[in-house]
Amino acid sequence: AQKVTQAQTEISVVEKEDVTLDCVYETRDTTYYLFWYKQPPSGELVFLIRRNSFDEQNEISGRYSWNFQKSTSSFNFTITASQVVDSAVYFCALSEEVDSNYQLIWGVGTKLIIKP
Amino acid sequence: NAGVTQTPKFRILKIGQSMTLQCTQDMNHNYMYWYRQDPGMGLKLIYYSVGAGITDKGEVPNGYNVSRSTTEDFPLRLELAAPSQTSVYFCASSSPRQGWETQYFGPGTRLLVL
Repeated sequence: AQKVTQAQTEISVVEKEDVTLDCVYETRDTTYYLFWYKQPPSGELVFLIRRNSFDEQNEISGRYSWNFQKSTSSFNFTITASQVVDSAVYFCALSEEVDSNYQLIWGVGTKLIIKP
Repeated sequence: NAGVTQTPKFRILKIGQSMTLQCTQDMNHNYMYWYRQDPGMGLKLIYYSVGAGITDKGEVPNGYNVSRSTTEDFPLRLELAAPSQTSVYFCASSSPRQGWETQYFGPGTRLLVL
């Protein structure tokens, strides 16, 4: 069965430290998508990135970077020089095809606390 | 362009009461979804719709109903509220034209059943 594991339930670092959030997935599909979403304390869910299974290039967006490795079924997220505003719960998700429709399978989230 | 809107933001229900959670999107997205998020957990899919007039069950549909009479609206109905339905409910939408897989979320409705 499709599955997303975020083993780190909570991470706490001091501002300006780098931090990596881990995401490991399981899927039978050859074509799939992986996602990261951010949920700040205000509660909304903010889309950060989508990566398809054929594109293993790392992506960088400002202080955020993502490392996708099919060999280890991982899609890790790194924040460089963390800031207090990065404090949030971060969710990793995997697309799943169900009866020709598509759904997302979600990890339980990693709560990231950035201390000033 | 408001995106996905949800009402109400917060509601307290008594056991056995009914209510409808409203969800509207103005992005002309075909796909719409309802999730619930329990404390410390990820999102679980309740129902989804791939277009007006078409709905289907997700992972946890029991105790809920949906309808999709228009592209824009996707209300979620709780008929007999139970304490187990205390949760935060998120509505989302996506479009094949923009990559169906990327779902855009509303701000959520926090529901407490006492």
